[in-house]
Amino acid sequence: AQKVTQAQTEISVVEKEDVTLDCVYETRDTTYYLFWYKQPPSGELVFLIRRNSFDEQNEISGRYSWNFQKSTSSFNFTITASQVVDSAVYFCALSGVRSNDYKLSFGAGTTVTVRA
Amino acid sequence: KAGVTQTPRYLIKTRGQQVTLSCSPISGHRSVSWYQQTPGQGLQFLFEYFSETQRNKGNFPGRFSGRQFSNSRSEMNVSTLELGDSALYLCASSLDAGPETQYFGPGTRLLVL
Repeated sequence: AQKVTQAQTEISVVEKEDVTLDCVYETRDTTYYLFWYKQPPSGELVFLIRRNSFDEQNEISGRYSWNFQKSTSSFNFTITASQVVDSAVYFCALSGVRSNDYKLSFGAGTTVTVRA
Repeated sequence: KAGVTQTPRYLIKTRGQQVTLSCSPISGHRSVSWYQQTPGQGLQFLFEYFSETQRNKGNFPGRFSGRQFSNSRSEMNVSTLELGDSALYLCASSLDAGPETQYFGPGTRLLVL
């Protein structure tokens, strides 16, 4: 079974602070995909990043960066210099690669509130 | 390119009724997945369709069903609604067979009274 744990339920920061969201996953597969999605108040899940289990390089996209560490089964997400528009619920998710396992298993989500 | 669209956006039903939700995937996408989001259970996978065939199914009762049409549009149906079916139902589409990135629609918010 696949499991994703986001231990932080809520994080509140002041604008321009950095915020790191933790994600720990469990899977028996050696090949898998990890994702981060953002859910603003409107409700739509917005795709942020996909990373396969063989690619442990960190990635940076603007103010967003991701740290994937297979040894600790973690895929953490950092928002640098946070802005009010970053306020949302962020979900980490895991997917298998077999045809019967393409579904996304989501963590419980972390609510980020950025105060002006 | 237009994103995933879902209709209706909001729905109010009473217990015992049935409901049908619709999803139109991104043009060219052939896989459609459905998820239920509730405050208590979070985001849970319902089922996935590819080429009009249900390929995967989550752990939901038989009251939840779906189908996919030849143009990749999908519908899900919930029969004999229960109060606990109140949720945000999200549809996601992906390009092809395989662990592709899933792109989500705005969801249908269902309230069962």
